[in-house]
Amino acid sequence: DAGVIQSPRHEVTEMGQEVTLRCKPISGHNSLFWYRQTMMRGLELLIYFNNNVPIDDSGMPEDRFSAKMPNASFSTLKIQPSEPRDSAVYFCASSSALNTEAFFGQGTRLTVV
Amino acid sequence: AQTVTQSQPEMSVQEAETVTLSCTYDTSESNYYLFWYKQPPSRQMILVIRQEAYKQQNATENRFSVNFQKAAKSFSLKISDSQLGDTAMYFCAFMKDPKTSYDKVIFGPGTSLSVIP
Repeated sequence: DAGVIQSPRHEVTEMGQEVTLRCKPISGHNSLFWYRQTMMRGLELLIYFNNNVPIDDSGMPEDRFSAKMPNASFSTLKIQPSEPRDSAVYFCASSSALNTEAFFGQGTRLTVV
Repeated sequence: AQTVTQSQPEMSVQEAETVTLSCTYDTSESNYYLFWYKQPPSRQMILVIRQEAYKQQNATENRFSVNFQKAAKSFSLKISDSQLGDTAMYFCAFMKDPKTSYDKVIFGPGTSLSVIP
C-alpha cells in the first residue's frame, strides 16, 4: 500500500478563495482524521470519521470549514472562504482497530495570502 | 476528555548520549494506547513506539524505550545513543482502545529535540 495520500502537497491561494484538500486513506482502514498543525496551536484534531461517518467535528474552527467522506477511499476538507489565519499544514491520517496507530499523509502546506 | 501534556518545549542532547522526554496524560479509561511520534524537518509524522495500557512491560524499539507508569499517568521516552537523525519534534499521543470505543488520537504539544554533534 502506498500509505495515506494527500493532495496537493502545497497550496497558495488568495484570501476569499475556496480551497479543497484531498485525502486517500490506507485501504482497509476505517478511521480517518484531519489535523491542522501550526506553530502556535500545535496539532489540532479538526474532524474524525469512522466508517465514513463524521463522529466528532468539534475541532472544526468555524462554518467556513467542512469535511466529507463520500466513500471509504476518499475524503475532502474544504475551506470557503479562506482567510490568512487558515495558513497551516493540514494532515490526514487513517487507522484501523487492528493496527491502532494512526498513519499520516505527507500533509498539505496551505498558504493564504 | 483526554488530555496529553508535554512539559518540555525544547531539549538538547549531545550525540551518543541519552535523553528522556516527558509526557503525562489524563484519562478515566482503563485500557488505551500511548504513542510517541517523531516529526523531522521533512514534516512526515513517524511512529516511534507504541504501548498498550494493559501491558505492564515497557515497550522498546532498538534505541527507543518507554517508562510507562500507569498509576501516575506518565509515559516518558528514552533515546539512547542519540544520533543526529534523531533531531525532530516528538509528540506524545493517546488513543482509547478502538475495540471498545471510537479511536481518535489526541496529541500533546510536542518537544523539540536537538542532537548536538
